[in-house]
Amino acid sequence: RKEVEQDPGPFNVPEGATVAFNCTYSNSASQSFFWYRQDCRKEPKLLMSVYSSGNEDGRFTAQLNRASQYISLLIRDSKLSDSATYLCVVNGLLTGGGNKLTFGTGTQLKVEL
Amino acid sequence: ETGVTQSPTHLIKTRGQQVTLRCSSQSGHNTVSWYQQALGQGPQFIFQYYREEENGRGNFPPRFSGLQFPNYSSELNVNALELDDSALYLCASSLETSGTDTQYFGPGTRLTVL
Repeated sequence: RKEVEQDPGPFNVPEGATVAFNCTYSNSASQSFFWYRQDCRKEPKLLMSVYSSGNEDGRFTAQLNRASQYISLLIRDSKLSDSATYLCVVNGLLTGGGNKLTFGTGTQLKVEL
Repeated sequence: ETGVTQSPTHLIKTRGQQVTLRCSSQSGHNTVSWYQQALGQGPQFIFQYYREEENGRGNFPPRFSGLQFPNYSSELNVNALELDDSALYLCASSLETSGTDTQYFGPGTRLTVL
């Protein structure tokens, strides 16, 4: 089983639609959770952190359910510029004292006219 | 921008060669992590350095090695290149090694092995 699992998509949606992405993770000791956005052939960029209480940043809402080990991202009123790959990311501690990010394979979103 | 830079942007090597990739972290960031991203996959953790010492490693063979310097720069070295090493290599810097620290990514180096 992969440590972080996401539906790879693609999700093709019309402009203005609401779209939801889901992700599950296997390590219950994970410390923090994020959604990153990655444009084609570019580096991942932090979209938002994810908290159990839920958090919102403009059109984006993220939610964490620790009991179910489930993370979600909701995008409202989709724009053409939202077209990208969305990576679900979990931060966990290493035995040597460090920490590492574990990424899902990403969910591809295409917003169309 | 994140303030993290990487060089070179692109690189082409042949099987068996050695390569050194470079990263410059944000000033004051004591931690640098390296990731490999193959086409169609999410980035995979290679290793992490904290204050010039390796403090964590992913499932990569010993021919992947690194160095971190006091001036917030770091290197990823790969010996005996294989075709499967073709990927985008990303470095990310963070303040410390806490499980809640945000990691800031550089633009990456795209390595092609022929």
